[in-house]
Amino acid sequence: KNEVEQSPQNLTAQEGEFITINCSYSVGISALHWLQQHPGGGIVSLFMLSSGKKKHGRLIATINIQEKHSSLHITASHPRDSAVYICAVRYSGGGADGLTFGKGTHLIIQP
Amino acid sequence: NAGVTQTPKFQVLKTGQSMTLQCAQDMNHEYMSWYRQDPGMGLRLIHYSVGAGITDQGEVPNGYNVSRSTTEDFPLRLLSAAPSQTSVYFCASSYSITSGDEQFFGPGTRLTVL
Repeated sequence: KNEVEQSPQNLTAQEGEFITINCSYSVGISALHWLQQHPGGGIVSLFMLSSGKKKHGRLIATINIQEKHSSLHITASHPRDSAVYICAVRYSGGGADGLTFGKGTHLIIQP
Repeated sequence: NAGVTQTPKFQVLKTGQSMTLQCAQDMNHEYMSWYRQDPGMGLRLIHYSVGAGITDQGEVPNGYNVSRSTTEDFPLRLLSAAPSQTSVYFCASSYSITSGDEQFFGPGTRLTVL
């Protein structure tokens, strides 16, 4: 079964720290998504990547297709960044069978 | 636009009862899907649809039915609820099935089966 692995599972940091969350996958993909789930439960899409790097505010997402690895970085972290960050991939090779999700990284930013 | 809406937000069922979780989107998206989220596991695909009248099974379809009579609506039916179906259910949609499309998620339905 194709898997998506995230690390770390849990991360607690101080406000202002630079945060990195990692995602690796096992076979070729056509797209990788980073999602954010707040304590209230709602899920929002942060990035969709197929190559390179994307930046939105303090968030940066990168992907290395050859190494089958992606990272999500948060600069100048803030308590409002506390959430679960989820990596999800759409495997290449056709088919419309949705996304495969990692288990998520639970991030807590302390003031 | 309301985006993706789900009802109800919370539901408690007894074993053997049936119910329908509603999902609707107003973005004219072709692709819609249902996921369940369980503690310690990633979201898992239950069923999906690539357009009105077309549905297919995902990773964990047993015990669930879907239909897609309109582009907007994609209800999920639990035929005979079991405690193993206690979970949080998310509906999602995107413009198409291609890889470049952003996924939009509903707020979720928290279901408890006693």
